[in-house]
Amino acid sequence: AQSVAQPEDQVNVAEGNPLTVKCTYSVSGNPYLFWYVQYPNRGLQFLLKYITGDNLVKGSYGFEAEFNKSQTSFHLKKPSALVSDSALYFCAVRDSVKNSGYSTLTFGKGTMLLVSP
Amino acid sequence: KAGVTQTPRYLIKTRGQQVTLSCSPISGHRSVSWYQQTPGQGLQFLFEYFSETQRNKGNFPGRFSGRQFSNSRSEMNVSTLELGDSALYLCASSSGQLSTDTQYFGPGTRLTVL
Repeated sequence: AQSVAQPEDQVNVAEGNPLTVKCTYSVSGNPYLFWYVQYPNRGLQFLLKYITGDNLVKGSYGFEAEFNKSQTSFHLKKPSALVSDSALYFCAVRDSVKNSGYSTLTFGKGTMLLVSP
Repeated sequence: KAGVTQTPRYLIKTRGQQVTLSCSPISGHRSVSWYQQTPGQGLQFLFEYFSETQRNKGNFPGRFSGRQFSNSRSEMNVSTLELGDSALYLCASSSGQLSTDTQYFGPGTRLTVL
């Protein structure tokens, strides 16, 4: 079975500092990895995804994520945090292998990012 | 392109009632997935429909059901509501053709059960 872990419930960072939100995963085959962000009372917004190729993936709003196969991780990063980045961040994985052909997306519990001025 | 839309945005029901939520996917998308989001359990997968057929199902009781129409719009129904069904219900659409697809989410329906 596929699974995702986000070990931190909350990450605090000062504006202008770099931020990292951690994610590790477990799948049977190759992982397809996604990051989403959720602002209060809103749905999830897609940030970026890793399918194959370059381990560093660039996404929306200056975010990027690094895929590390040996550590089964897909951490979200941003060089300089903004107060407006404060939100709930979700990592998700889909396994490339599924008996019936199309696997579902499994989400982590989410990490609240708080950026202080 | 218009995004995923969900109606209604807010609902208040009492225990024992039933409720129907609606989701209109992005034009051209044939897959619609439903999720329940609560503070304690996070995002939990309910079911996924593709071309009017339920293709995947999560671990929810039979009180939760859904369907998809020929225009890809989807509805989910919850019967005999319980207090624990209070949650944000999110739907997401994708082309549904590849496992590399991105799911795009609607704004959600906030259901409160009293």
